[in-house]
Amino acid sequence: DQQVKQNSPSLSVQEGRISILNCDYTNSMFDYFLWYKKYPAEGPTFLISISSIKDKNEDGRFTVFLNKSAKHLSLHIVPSQPGDSAVYFCAASENNAGNMLTFGGGTRLMVKP
Amino acid sequence: NAGVTQTPKFQVLKTGQSMTLQCAQDMNHNSMYWYRQDPGMGLRLIYYSASEGTTDKGEVPNGYNVSRLNKREFSLRLESAAPSQTSVYFCASSPWWADRATGELFFGEGSRLTVL
Repeated sequence: DQQVKQNSPSLSVQEGRISILNCDYTNSMFDYFLWYKKYPAEGPTFLISISSIKDKNEDGRFTVFLNKSAKHLSLHIVPSQPGDSAVYFCAASENNAGNMLTFGGGTRLMVKP
Repeated sequence: NAGVTQTPKFQVLKTGQSMTLQCAQDMNHNSMYWYRQDPGMGLRLIYYSASEGTTDKGEVPNGYNVSRLNKREFSLRLESAAPSQTSVYFCASSPWWADRATGELFFGEGSRLTVL
Protein backbone atom coordinates (compact mmCIF):
# COMPACT_ATOMS: atom_id res chain seq x y z
CA ASP A 1 0.00 0.00 0.00
CA GLN A 2 1.39 3.38 -0.99
CA GLN A 3 2.35 5.49 2.00
CA VAL A 4 2.50 8.68 -0.06
CA LYS A 5 -0.30 9.38 -2.51
CA GLN A 6 -0.87 12.03 -5.10
CA ASN A 7 -4.47 11.47 -6.10
CA SER A 8 -4.50 13.80 -9.11
CA PRO A 9 -2.48 12.30 -12.00
CA SER A 10 -2.73 15.57 -13.93
CA LEU A 11 -3.62 19.23 -13.51
CA SER A 12 -4.12 21.94 -16.12
CA VAL A 13 -3.82 25.63 -15.20
CA GLN A 14 -3.82 28.91 -17.10
CA GLU A 15 -0.61 30.95 -17.10
CA GLY A 16 -0.61 33.53 -14.29
CA ARG A 17 -3.07 31.59 -12.13
CA ILE A 18 -2.33 29.53 -9.03
CA SER A 19 -1.41 25.85 -9.29
CA ILE A 20 -2.18 23.69 -6.25
CA LEU A 21 -0.74 20.20 -6.10
CA ASN A 22 -1.83 17.91 -3.30
CA CYS A 23 -0.22 15.02 -1.46
CA ASP A 24 -1.51 12.73 1.31
CA TYR A 25 0.48 10.36 3.49
CA THR A 26 -0.41 7.56 5.88
CA ASN A 27 2.81 6.99 7.84
CA SER A 28 2.71 9.09 11.02
CA MET A 29 6.48 8.62 11.39
CA PHE A 30 7.16 10.84 8.37
CA ASP A 31 8.54 14.14 9.59
CA TYR A 32 10.30 15.65 6.57
CA PHE A 33 8.67 16.32 3.24
CA LEU A 34 10.02 17.35 -0.15
CA TRP A 35 8.76 18.25 -3.59
CA TYR A 36 10.66 17.32 -6.73
CA LYS A 37 10.06 18.49 -10.27
CA LYS A 38 10.77 16.33 -13.30
CA TYR A 39 10.98 17.28 -16.97
CA PRO A 40 10.82 14.58 -19.68
CA ALA A 41 14.09 12.69 -20.23
CA GLU A 42 15.65 14.32 -17.17
CA GLY A 43 16.10 13.26 -13.58
CA PRO A 44 13.97 14.78 -10.80
CA THR A 45 15.30 18.00 -9.30
CA PHE A 46 14.69 19.22 -5.78
CA LEU A 47 12.20 22.06 -5.47
CA ILE A 48 11.29 22.77 -1.84
CA SER A 49 11.06 20.98 1.50
CA ILE A 50 9.37 21.33 4.87
CA SER A 51 10.01 19.89 8.29
CA SER A 52 7.11 18.74 10.47
CA ILE A 53 7.93 21.45 13.01
CA LYS A 54 6.65 23.98 10.47
CA ASP A 55 3.35 24.34 8.67
CA LYS A 56 4.54 26.53 5.82
CA ASN A 57 7.70 27.10 3.82
CA GLU A 58 8.08 29.61 1.03
CA ASP A 59 10.65 29.98 -1.74
CA GLY A 60 9.84 32.59 -4.36
CA ARG A 61 6.78 31.49 -6.30
CA PHE A 62 6.64 28.14 -4.50
CA THR A 63 5.00 27.56 -1.11
CA VAL A 64 4.50 24.24 0.64
CA PHE A 65 1.84 23.86 3.32
CA LEU A 66 1.77 21.00 5.82
CA ASN A 67 -1.30 19.89 7.78
CA LYS A 68 -0.03 17.22 10.15
CA SER A 69 -3.37 16.38 11.67
CA ALA A 70 -4.80 15.66 8.22
CA LYS A 71 -1.54 14.07 6.99
CA HIS A 72 -1.75 16.34 3.97
CA LEU A 73 0.60 18.69 2.21
CA SER A 74 0.20 20.92 -0.78
CA LEU A 75 2.45 22.82 -3.14
CA HIS A 76 1.26 26.22 -4.37
CA ILE A 77 2.82 27.86 -7.41
CA VAL A 78 1.93 31.52 -7.88
CA PRO A 79 1.90 32.78 -10.56
CA SER A 80 2.14 29.68 -12.74
CA GLN A 81 4.37 29.88 -15.81
CA PRO A 82 4.55 27.65 -18.91
CA GLY A 83 8.05 26.57 -17.81
CA ASP A 84 6.48 25.05 -14.70
CA SER A 85 4.89 22.35 -16.87
CA ALA A 86 6.42 19.13 -15.54
CA VAL A 87 5.69 16.15 -13.32
CA TYR A 88 5.79 16.97 -9.62
CA PHE A 89 6.60 14.32 -7.03
CA CYS A 90 5.90 14.58 -3.34
CA ALA A 91 8.33 12.66 -1.09
CA ALA A 92 8.67 11.98 2.64
CA SER A 93 11.20 10.56 5.08
CA GLU A 94 11.23 9.33 8.67
CA ASN A 95 13.47 10.43 11.48
CA ASN A 96 16.38 8.00 11.86
CA ALA A 97 15.88 6.79 8.29
CA GLY A 98 18.23 9.30 6.78
CA ASN A 99 17.55 10.29 3.23
CA MET A 100 15.52 7.20 2.39
CA LEU A 101 12.66 8.90 0.59
CA THR A 102 9.21 7.49 -0.12
CA PHE A 103 7.72 9.07 -3.23
CA GLY A 104 4.18 9.62 -4.40
CA GLY A 105 3.07 8.67 -7.90
CA GLY A 106 3.45 12.17 -9.31
CA THR A 107 1.14 14.84 -10.76
CA ARG A 108 1.62 16.13 -14.29
CA LEU A 109 1.13 19.91 -14.35
CA MET A 110 0.36 21.65 -17.62
CA VAL A 111 0.44 25.44 -17.62
CA LYS A 112 -1.27 26.86 -20.69
CA PRO A 113 -0.08 30.17 -22.16
CA ASN B 1 29.93 20.11 -13.68
CA ALA B 2 28.49 16.70 -14.67
CA GLY B 3 26.77 15.91 -11.35
CA VAL B 4 25.39 12.35 -11.53
CA THR B 5 26.13 10.39 -14.72
CA GLN B 6 24.40 7.14 -15.63
CA THR B 7 25.23 4.70 -18.41
CA PRO B 8 23.72 3.35 -20.55
CA LYS B 9 20.77 5.68 -21.22
CA PHE B 10 18.81 2.96 -23.04
CA GLN B 11 19.05 -0.82 -23.04
CA VAL B 12 16.93 -3.67 -24.39
CA LEU B 13 17.45 -7.11 -22.88
CA LYS B 14 15.95 -10.53 -23.37
CA THR B 15 14.55 -12.39 -20.39
CA GLY B 16 17.36 -14.10 -18.51
CA GLN B 17 20.15 -11.82 -19.71
CA SER B 18 22.28 -9.92 -17.27
CA MET B 19 23.49 -6.35 -17.30
CA THR B 20 25.00 -3.65 -15.11
CA LEU B 21 23.91 -0.04 -14.86
CA GLN B 22 26.76 2.29 -14.01
CA CYS B 23 26.53 5.46 -11.97
CA ALA B 24 29.19 8.01 -11.06
CA GLN B 25 28.97 11.31 -9.20
CA ASP B 26 31.55 14.09 -9.08
CA MET B 27 30.13 16.07 -6.15
CA ASN B 28 32.12 14.26 -3.44
CA HIS B 29 28.86 12.97 -1.94
CA ASN B 30 28.95 10.20 0.63
CA SER B 31 25.55 8.61 -0.05
CA MET B 32 24.25 7.07 -3.27
CA TYR B 33 20.93 5.47 -4.26
CA TRP B 34 19.22 3.49 -6.98
CA TYR B 35 15.52 4.09 -7.68
CA ARG B 36 13.16 2.72 -10.28
CA GLN B 37 10.24 4.67 -11.71
CA ASP B 38 7.10 2.97 -12.94
CA PRO B 39 3.90 4.69 -14.17
CA GLY B 40 1.68 5.74 -11.26
CA MET B 41 4.10 4.28 -8.71
CA GLY B 42 6.47 7.17 -8.33
CA LEU B 43 10.08 6.32 -7.57
CA ARG B 44 10.83 3.29 -5.42
CA LEU B 45 14.15 2.73 -3.68
CA ILE B 46 15.99 -0.42 -4.77
CA TYR B 47 19.28 -0.14 -2.83
CA TYR B 48 21.26 2.58 -1.20
CA SER B 49 24.78 3.14 0.07
CA ALA B 50 24.90 5.47 3.05
CA SER B 51 28.67 5.70 2.80
CA GLU B 52 31.56 4.10 0.93
CA GLY B 53 31.83 0.46 1.93
CA THR B 54 28.19 -0.01 2.94
CA THR B 55 25.07 -1.01 1.01
CA ASP B 56 21.53 -1.69 2.20
CA LYS B 57 18.27 -2.88 0.72
CA GLY B 58 15.50 -0.45 -0.05
CA GLU B 59 11.84 -1.09 -0.76
CA VAL B 60 12.20 -3.30 -3.88
CA PRO B 61 15.60 -5.08 -3.84
CA ASN B 62 14.61 -8.50 -5.23
CA GLY B 63 16.34 -9.36 -8.50
CA TYR B 64 19.07 -6.74 -8.08
CA ASN B 65 22.56 -6.49 -6.66
CA VAL B 66 24.71 -3.43 -6.10
CA SER B 67 28.36 -2.56 -5.69
CA ARG B 68 29.76 0.62 -4.16
CA LEU B 69 33.02 0.51 -6.11
CA ASN B 70 34.48 3.63 -4.50
CA LYS B 71 33.16 6.96 -3.23
CA ARG B 72 32.22 8.10 -6.76
CA GLU B 73 30.69 4.96 -8.27
CA PHE B 74 27.65 2.84 -7.46
CA SER B 75 26.55 0.13 -9.89
CA LEU B 76 23.28 -1.81 -10.15
CA ARG B 77 23.30 -5.34 -11.56
CA LEU B 78 20.45 -7.43 -12.91
CA GLU B 79 21.66 -11.04 -12.84
CA SER B 80 18.72 -12.58 -14.74
CA ALA B 81 16.46 -9.92 -16.19
CA ALA B 82 12.68 -10.35 -16.09
CA PRO B 83 9.93 -8.38 -17.91
CA SER B 84 8.83 -7.00 -14.49
CA GLN B 85 12.16 -5.15 -14.38
CA THR B 86 11.21 -3.04 -17.39
CA SER B 87 11.44 0.45 -15.94
CA VAL B 88 13.34 3.71 -15.84
CA TYR B 89 16.21 3.56 -13.37
CA PHE B 90 17.57 6.60 -11.58
CA CYS B 91 20.78 6.90 -9.67
CA ALA B 92 21.02 9.65 -7.05
CA SER B 93 23.47 10.98 -4.51
CA SER B 94 23.36 13.17 -1.42
CA PRO B 95 26.08 14.72 0.77
CA TRP B 96 25.32 12.77 3.95
CA TRP B 97 22.83 10.02 4.70
CA ALA B 98 21.76 11.53 8.01
CA ASP B 99 21.69 15.17 6.96
CA ARG B 100 18.10 15.67 5.84
CA ALA B 101 17.94 19.42 6.23
CA THR B 102 20.42 19.98 3.41
CA GLY B 103 20.47 16.47 2.10
CA GLU B 104 18.15 16.56 -0.86
CA LEU B 105 18.93 13.98 -3.51
CA PHE B 106 20.65 14.84 -6.79
CA PHE B 107 19.48 12.59 -9.61
CA GLY B 108 21.01 11.40 -12.85
CA GLU B 109 19.08 11.57 -16.12
CA GLY B 110 17.84 8.00 -15.93
CA SER B 111 18.36 4.73 -17.78
CA ARG B 112 15.42 3.24 -19.66
CA LEU B 113 15.52 -0.54 -19.56
CA THR B 114 13.21 -2.82 -21.53
CA VAL B 115 13.16 -6.56 -20.88
CA LEU B 116 11.47 -8.63 -23.60
